[in-house]
Amino acid sequence: NAGVTQTPKFRVLKTGQSMTLLCAQDMNHEYMYWYRQDPGMGLRLIHYSVGEGTTAKGEVPDGYNVSRLKKQNFLLGLESAAPSQTSVYFCASSATGGGSPLHFGNGTRLTVT
Amino acid sequence: RKEVEQDPGPFNVPEGATVAFNCTYSNSASQSFFWYRQDCRKEPKLLMSVYSSGNEDGRFTAQLNRASQYISLLIRDSKLSDSATYLCVVNIQFVEAAGNKLTFGGGTRVLVKP
Repeated sequence: NAGVTQTPKFRVLKTGQSMTLLCAQDMNHEYMYWYRQDPGMGLRLIHYSVGEGTTAKGEVPDGYNVSRLKKQNFLLGLESAAPSQTSVYFCASSATGGGSPLHFGNGTRLTVT
Repeated sequence: RKEVEQDPGPFNVPEGATVAFNCTYSNSASQSFFWYRQDCRKEPKLLMSVYSSGNEDGRFTAQLNRASQYISLLIRDSKLSDSATYLCVVNIQFVEAAGNKLTFGGGTRVLVKP
């Protein structure tokens, strides 16, 4: 049982490049989330999904897009990376909404130069 | 005002001592509360849920004060391995889209020293 798996673990991009972060969970969870964590800012919600085929904006959605074509996968896309998107990105899943705990992936460290 | 606020610390704690810290939330409609632990450069992991009547899990005690809108975490007999950042998480009802949204506090750093 792998839980929540994120790929890649590290990535360096140049300004303007694009990339997709992949999150996969094998717990049959309905809810999936993408957070970013910056020093002194805590975890901030980028986008989330309450089920296959659904997505919704979180606190800081600008510059990111997401897709949930399959229940087990939640993709985060950066179409044109900016230095302000340098951060650690965490994917998480939960069985239901706010009443159930989050299971996190190991994180992706992204640097945009 | 942030929706969920924590004292960033660090709280420097002698090994074996007790440490306690709070987390305040601004939305009175908040329904569920959690404490997560995050070690340096690692993902957050659930420490414990916080129940209305308060709850214990070994050396850890969590309390909820709805009237004053804060939760607390107390660690007894601190161990060196308790050194971490403790994140407060609050479930706030979200109007758009179905379901709820969890909001994290900025975390409280605890350093347990010999």
